[in-house]
Amino acid sequence: AQTVTQSQPEMSVQEAETVTLSCTYDTSESDYYLFWYKQPPSRQMILVIRQEAYKQQNATENRFSVNFQKAAKSFSLKISDSQLGDAAMYFCAYRTSGRGAGGTSYGKLTFGQGTILTVHP
Amino acid sequence: NAGVTQTPKFQVLKTGQSMTLQCAQDMNHEYMSWYRQDPGMGLRLIHYSVGAGITDQGEVPNGYNVSRSTTEDFPLRLLSAAPSQTSVYFCASSPRRWGNSPLHFGNGTRLTVT
Repeated sequence: AQTVTQSQPEMSVQEAETVTLSCTYDTSESDYYLFWYKQPPSRQMILVIRQEAYKQQNATENRFSVNFQKAAKSFSLKISDSQLGDAAMYFCAYRTSGRGAGGTSYGKLTFGQGTILTVHP
Repeated sequence: NAGVTQTPKFQVLKTGQSMTLQCAQDMNHEYMSWYRQDPGMGLRLIHYSVGAGITDQGEVPNGYNVSRSTTEDFPLRLLSAAPSQTSVYFCASSPRRWGNSPLHFGNGTRLTVT
């Protein structure tokens, strides 16, 4: 079974600075997908960024970018020019492609424990 | 554009009571799932479905039941509530059962069992 580990329960950053949230995962698969979700106090789950394992190029979405190291099974999220609205719980997630042997793994999403990000003005 | 709708938003139950958490999506998504969120444990998969009439267990299925009679609806039933089921529950769906489509989440239900 896949596992996802976020080793930083809490992180903080000054407004306009850059912060990196860590995520590692364990899998024997070669084809999979990785996501970062943001959960503000409203409890809503918001997709921040996604990465396909077969792509070597790191994904970028405006101020959010990832550092995907497939061999190291690492998937960190970098937030540049941090804003007060970035304060939230961030979850790293792994999703199987589902196209494995036997086809029984229907794209289940496995989450890390979460990192609470505080942004100081 | 409703997306994924969960009801109720909050619920308090006594130990032993049963109830159903409702989930509906209007995006014709193939895949639907239920997660529970507990402090320090992230979100854990309870049950999921890859289409009408097809359901399967996730990581923490005990004490919960699901069915999927239509593409749109995927209710979660608590058979006999226990304090250990106090949690925040999320329903989520995605267009396809395969991995590259992200999940769309409902707004969650906070359940307290006393």
